[in-house]
Amino acid sequence: GAVVSQHPSWVICKSGTSVKIECRSLDFQATTMFWYRQFPKQSLMLMATSNEGSKATYEQGVEKDKFLINHASLTLSTLTVTSAHPEDSSFYICSIRREGRTGELFFGEGSRLTVL
Amino acid sequence: AQRVTQPEKLLSVFKGAPVELKCNYSYSGSPELFWYVQYSRQRLQLLLRHISRESIKGFTADLNKGETSFHLKKPFAQEEDSAMYYCALKNFNKFYFGSGTKLNVKP
Repeated sequence: GAVVSQHPSWVICKSGTSVKIECRSLDFQATTMFWYRQFPKQSLMLMATSNEGSKATYEQGVEKDKFLINHASLTLSTLTVTSAHPEDSSFYICSIRREGRTGELFFGEGSRLTVL
Repeated sequence: AQRVTQPEKLLSVFKGAPVELKCNYSYSGSPELFWYVQYSRQRLQLLLRHISRESIKGFTADLNKGETSFHLKKPFAQEEDSAMYYCALKNFNKFYFGSGTKLNVKP
């Protein structure tokens, strides 16, 4: 069964509003979660690393005030796209890495955001 | 900085033909490399990792440090292999992905 669950899978919002995407680890506790963004027919771009109980670390070029990440528990991380604009429309994917295993990432099903 | 390059966006082969999906990387340290696969309407999942030196679903990949490559190979492609394939490099705790190659295996 699924190890990671994302919600919502699809969201449409008006420009200027904020949208929250949830990522849940279903199978094990995850101190670290990763948020990726995928443009059509392009690669997954790592946006940030979500750390439980501390601030997220953002990749270069990613606006932390634009993409707010909260990792309040060992099973939940949220990504909030603040004051969304059409250029924020994209596919957002979260993933978790099981501690103790050398590198297997488990991915959520992704959330497609469309900003009108 | 790390970089993963997959030069082919699309690769079409006939069933039973050999297939090679190319991946090149740049990384200053000792790399850990992976192949992830995404079948139609499914989420990304791990296919194989270089440190395991394993063969999964008939696929193998050898890390060539001299050529900085980690190409994915299968001697006889099957229709069910049609999917998006992503090469990924692990840098400490983070994973960086190539742009992906869509493999289309024709009957």
